Amino acid sequence: EAAVTQSPRSKVAVTGGKVTLSCHQTNNHDYMYWYRQDTGHGLRLIHYSYVADSTEKGDIPDGYKASRPSQENFSLILELASLSQTAVYFCASSDWGQDAETLYFGSGTRLTVL
Amino acid sequence: QQQVRQSPQSLTVWEGETTILNCSYEDSTFDYFPWYRQFPGKSPALLIAISLVSNKKEDGRFTIFFNKREKKLSLHITDSQPGDSATYFCAASRNSAGNKLTFGIGTRVLVRP
Repeated sequence: EAAVTQSPRSKVAVTGGKVTLSCHQTNNHDYMYWYRQDTGHGLRLIHYSYVADSTEKGDIPDGYKASRPSQENFSLILELASLSQTAVYFCASSDWGQDAETLYFGSGTRLTVL
Repeated sequence: QQQVRQSPQSLTVWEGETTILNCSYEDSTFDYFPWYRQFPGKSPALLIAISLVSNKKEDGRFTIFFNKREKKLSLHITDSQPGDSATYFCAASRNSAGNKLTFGIGTRVLVRP
C-alpha cells in the first residue's frame, strides 16, 4: 500500500525562525508535492518535484523553499516563519503517466507560528 | 482567483437523501477532474475521477455528471449515510502539466441520521 510519511506531526515555531518539514515516500513515485490547507482556501500547491534534485514552484511559493535530495525525500523549508504560514501542510506523491494521476497524501503537519 | 469553484461551501442532508455537490472551472485546458474526500482530522483521498472523454462516471453510490460545454461538474451521493460526512474537494489538472492538481475550497457535508 502507498505510504507517505510526514514529520513532525505538529510543530510550534516562533516568528522569524527556520522551519523544516520532512516527507518520505516508499511508493517509488516520481512526483512529490507540498500543499497547505487553510479554512476557506482548500488545498493550495506550494512546491512540487518531478525528479530528484529538481523542484518547481507551485501556485503559492513565496516564503517557502523545497528540497528533493532523493526520490524518496522531499522537504519544505520556511527560512523566516511568519504568522500567515500557520496552516496544515500535506505532502503527497504520485506516479507518472496518463492512468496514474492519483495523489497519495501523508497525514499532514500542523504548523503554528507564534 | 479560484480556478476551480465549488458550491455550496457546506450542506446538511438527512440519511437516505441524495447529496449534490457542484464544481465549475474556467480553464479550458483542464482535462482531468478528480474528487477527493477528507474525513475530519484525516488526509484527503481520491474518491472518484472523470476525464474529458466522459460525461458520466459511476462508482457505487457516487456519480459524477460532467457538462463540458458549461465547464461544470456535479458529484451525486445517493442514499447518503452518516459515514459520508466529510469535506469533498473538486480538483482539476492538465495532462500536459503532469499531475499538478488545482483544488477547489471544498464542500463540507453533514449527513444527519
